[in-house]
Amino acid sequence: AQRVTQPEKLLSVFKGAPVELKCNYSYSGSPELFWYVQYSRQRLQLLLRHISRESIKGFTADLNKGETSFHLKKPFAQEEDSAMYYCALSGPVQGAQKLVFGQGTRLTINP
Amino acid sequence: KAGVTQTPRYLIKTRGQQVTLSCSPISGHRSVSWYQQTPGQGLQFLFEYFSETQRNKGNFPGRFSGRQFSNSRSEMNVSTLELGDSALYLCASSLGDRVYGYTFGSGTRLTVV
Repeated sequence: AQRVTQPEKLLSVFKGAPVELKCNYSYSGSPELFWYVQYSRQRLQLLLRHISRESIKGFTADLNKGETSFHLKKPFAQEEDSAMYYCALSGPVQGAQKLVFGQGTRLTINP
Repeated sequence: KAGVTQTPRYLIKTRGQQVTLSCSPISGHRSVSWYQQTPGQGLQFLFEYFSETQRNKGNFPGRFSGRQFSNSRSEMNVSTLELGDSALYLCASSLGDRVYGYTFGSGTRLTVV
């Protein structure tokens, strides 16, 4: 069964400190993985996709198939990074468009 | 470029009633998915429509149904409302391939009393 686990419901770090939001997944195959972010009073928005290997707002995420993880990292946190972050996966079924989300991690950046 | 538009933004209904929510995807997006978001269960997949056909379905009772029109607009219907149906219902659209990810709407907040 597809499952996404975000072990930390809350994460608090100081501005300028490194940030790592953990995501582990369970899937027998090669899933597509995503990070979504929801800032206060804003809609849920796509932050990055593993297939793009991109860095958005200083965040990166590397897919580790051996550890079945897709942790989100940023070397220097900014106050505007405070938000709710969701890890999600989409399975490889041809034509399928269904995301399974983790429970989310609320990140707070302290000044 | 207009985003995903959901109407109405807020709804209050009574137990036993039915409700219809509407979603207009981004122009050119043929896939529309619906999610239920609650504090306890998080984001749960309801169903996905692509070119007017239901392509995927989540584990929700038959009271939850949907449809998609030829212009890709989608509606979701919940019949015989229960208190537990109170939630934020999110619509998301995409080009249709699993690699792209979604663009979400702001949601419809449904309260059942």
